[in-house]
Amino acid sequence: GQSLEQPSEVTAVEGAIVQINCTYQTSGFYGLSWYQQHDGGAPTFLSYNALDGLEETGRFSSFLSRSDSYGYLLLQELQMKDSASYFCAVRYQGGKLIFGQGTELSVKP
Amino acid sequence: KAGVTQTPRYLIKTRGQQVTLSCSPISGHRSVSWYQQTPGQGLQFLFEYFSETQRNKGNFPGRFSGRQFSNSRSEMNVSTLELGDSALYLCASSAGGGTGELFFGEGSRLTVL
Repeated sequence: GQSLEQPSEVTAVEGAIVQINCTYQTSGFYGLSWYQQHDGGAPTFLSYNALDGLEETGRFSSFLSRSDSYGYLLLQELQMKDSASYFCAVRYQGGKLIFGQGTELSVKP
Repeated sequence: KAGVTQTPRYLIKTRGQQVTLSCSPISGHRSVSWYQQTPGQGLQFLFEYFSETQRNKGNFPGRFSGRQFSNSRSEMNVSTLELGDSALYLCASSAGGGTGELFFGEGSRLTVL
């Protein structure tokens, strides 16, 4: 099957750096995406990695290692508003986008 | 540009009933996908439509069905509702392209009693 693993919850303090990991199954893999969802809201797109390496967008960066079937989302200079759920999602051959179960990030003052 | 619109936002049904949810994608987007979200289960892929054709389907029973119209608007239907169908149903549209970025609606929250 096609499944993703990510931690269920992470806690960090304001101003800190946090890394949310995601591992996936390789068969038919196309690319890794990250989405943010605030409580009760619509998920919003953060980043996409099709190739190995780091993609940086402001305070957020995303990394992919295809050989390790692994990626992560890095959030720097954490702010209270970053408290949300973060989902990794893998696009497989045929276009199907499968989401992980989400990591709930709590940012403390 | 208007975002993805889902109706109704909230609804309550009883077991055995059926429900139809509607999704209007962003203008120009031809791909619409549906997800079921329940606590602890993340977003479970239901199906994806492109130009009125179902392109992909998730692992849900046949009680879950959908369709897409020529204007790209989509509906999903759940028949013979069960308590376990209580969830947030999210619709997303996409313009395609390299990142495959999905634009989600606010969802339809279904409660089955």
